[in-house]
Parts: sequence; structure tokens; C-alpha cells
Amino acid sequence: EDKVVQSPLSLVVHEGDTVTLNCSYEVTNFRSLLWYKQEKKAPTFLFMLTSSGIEKKSGRLSSILDKKELFSILNITATQTGDSAVYLCAVGKLIFGQGTELSVKP
Amino acid sequence: EAQVTQNPRYLITVTGKKLTVTCSQNMNHEYMSWYRQDPGLGLRQIYYSMNVEVTDKGDVPEGYKVSRKEKRNFPLILESPSPNQTSLYFCASRRRTDHMNTEAFFGQGTRLTVV
Repeated sequence: EDKVVQSPLSLVVHEGDTVTLNCSYEVTNFRSLLWYKQEKKAPTFLFMLTSSGIEKKSGRLSSILDKKELFSILNITATQTGDSAVYLCAVGKLIFGQGTELSVKP
Repeated sequence: EAQVTQNPRYLITVTGKKLTVTCSQNMNHEYMSWYRQDPGLGLRQIYYSMNVEVTDKGDVPEGYKVSRKEKRNFPLILESPSPNQTSLYFCASRRRTDHMNTEAFFGQGTRLTVV
């Protein structure tokens, strides 16, 4: 059975801080891991990771996958209040973790 | 415009009154799935479909039915809704290949209240 565990479940930081969100998974026949951002509406796509060790970057956000240890991290540098959201990761038949609720204070 | 469309966006209903939430995608995606989202529990999968006439249970299928008669549509049916099915529901679709999973697209969500 596919399973995704995210940590921490919630996080409060101040603007300018750097955060690291964790996603560990168990899945049969791994193909990809997806990261999403959700701000009180439908989730929006951030990254898809398929290979270990290759960092994906988009502005202040970056993510990397470790297929041997079965986890991924999402880094956000120089956080802004607009980064406040729930961050979700998913694998396999689109099984999601519980999400990490990030709150960035001014 | 590529999109997943859910209807209705908001629904208040009474216990036991059958309802259907529709989901339609215009991207010719093979894979579609339904989720419910409750505070602190993330997105929990209700049912998914790999293609037309192929559906399977997710993690929380009790009290729900689905059908996939056409590729573009994947309705969620609550035969006899109960208050514990009050939740925010999302439909998603993705292209399915032999080698990798792809980005999933989400509908706008349906907020259902059962009283």
C-alpha cells in the first residue's frame, strides 16, 4: 500500500527565514514524486521529481529526491508572507501526505 | 483552456438525499481521481480510475460510488449522504504513460455540507 508521511505538520517562521519541508514515502513501482502548494483553494503544481540527486528549482523554491532513502525535501529560501500555504507531496496513484502547513509572519 | 471542472462548487443537502458531484476534464487524460479534504488530514483518496470502465477504491471509499463511462467524465455519487461526509471534495486528472506519472490537474473543489 502506497504511503506518504510529511513533516513537520505545521511550521511558523518569520519573513526571510529558510525552511525545509520533508516527505518520506513507500510506493510500489516508483515513477515520480510531486509537490503541490495549496492556498485555500485547489492545489497548484510545483515540482515533479523522477531521479535521485537532481535538484529542481523555481525561484526561491527547490526540491530534491533521494530514491535510495525514499524521501524528498522542499526548500524555501528568504520566505515571504505569500509562501504561507499547505505544501503537499504525492506519489504513485496520487496518494498524498497530510501536508505541511507553513505560516510566514511579517 | 486545459481544465478540470467540478459542479457544484457549493452544496448544502439533507441526510439521505442522493446527490452527484460532476467532474469533467478536457485534456483527454486517462487517469482521474476523487479526494476529500478535512482539516489536518490532507487529501484522502476516495476512488480513482485508470481509464474508461476501470475504477478502484482509494483509502476512504465507504459511502461513495463512481462511474467512468466516458473518458472526460468521472462523477462522484453519494447514494445516502450522512453528516460525516461534510467535507471539501476535489477531482483530479492526469495523463498516464507507461514510464512515468505526470502532473495532476485539479478541479476548483466542491464544498459539501450534509445536515
